[in-house]
Amino acid sequence: GAGVSQSPRYKVAKRGQDVALRCDPISGHVSLFWYQQALGQGPEFLTYFQNEAQLDKSGLPSDRFFAERPEGSVSTLKIQRTQQEDSAVYLCASSLSRDGANVLTFGAGSRLTVL
Amino acid sequence: AQKITQTQPGMFVQEKEAVTLDCTYDTSDQSYGLFWYKQPSSGEMIFLIYQGSYDEQNATEGRYSLNFQKARKSANLVISASQLGDSAMYFCASMGGDDKIIFGKGTRLHILP
Repeated sequence: GAGVSQSPRYKVAKRGQDVALRCDPISGHVSLFWYQQALGQGPEFLTYFQNEAQLDKSGLPSDRFFAERPEGSVSTLKIQRTQQEDSAVYLCASSLSRDGANVLTFGAGSRLTVL
Repeated sequence: AQKITQTQPGMFVQEKEAVTLDCTYDTSDQSYGLFWYKQPSSGEMIFLIYQGSYDEQNATEGRYSLNFQKARKSANLVISASQLGDSAMYFCASMGGDDKIIFGKGTRLHILP
């Protein structure tokens, strides 16, 4: 597609529910990143992939968070047993990963509110 | 491990003036990259400018330039002739040798008419 597409744009979950956030990167983009952004803060790194390989998941806050990119394109971030502190905007970004300049193109984000 | 520090939570600047947004970084990598992104109130993240650690000249993109001082581990963003549309959050980011990209906490820039 023309840009990075994220769905849903808005998600309200009751505490304890599981949620799944989808990211459709730009076609052909090798790298895919997930970030968590709280209101008024900078994006916090969660995890990233090169193709289907998850190279770093050190930013995932707990074992309730899980990300996958099984075919090296679409990625899903899953949060199990959501807590109120999980409320944030989840940003997905992808890049061609070439020429040493890993310029990221971001999606519009998925805003998660946990009640 | 990489770290980005942005010490200015907020700045107010008169329209048409130049503004410098501070960024210092910490990395043990020999090869790395530095980025600036803009996030307006709409929430989208917009790429502004990139500087590679081996680039000898400061990067420039239109009204944006990156004041790269390697010895000081500083990568300040300079916006010349500021406009009302420049009001936004600005994030500095770094990429290490593992291609992982991390962001600072940001600076909120307000341009005054």
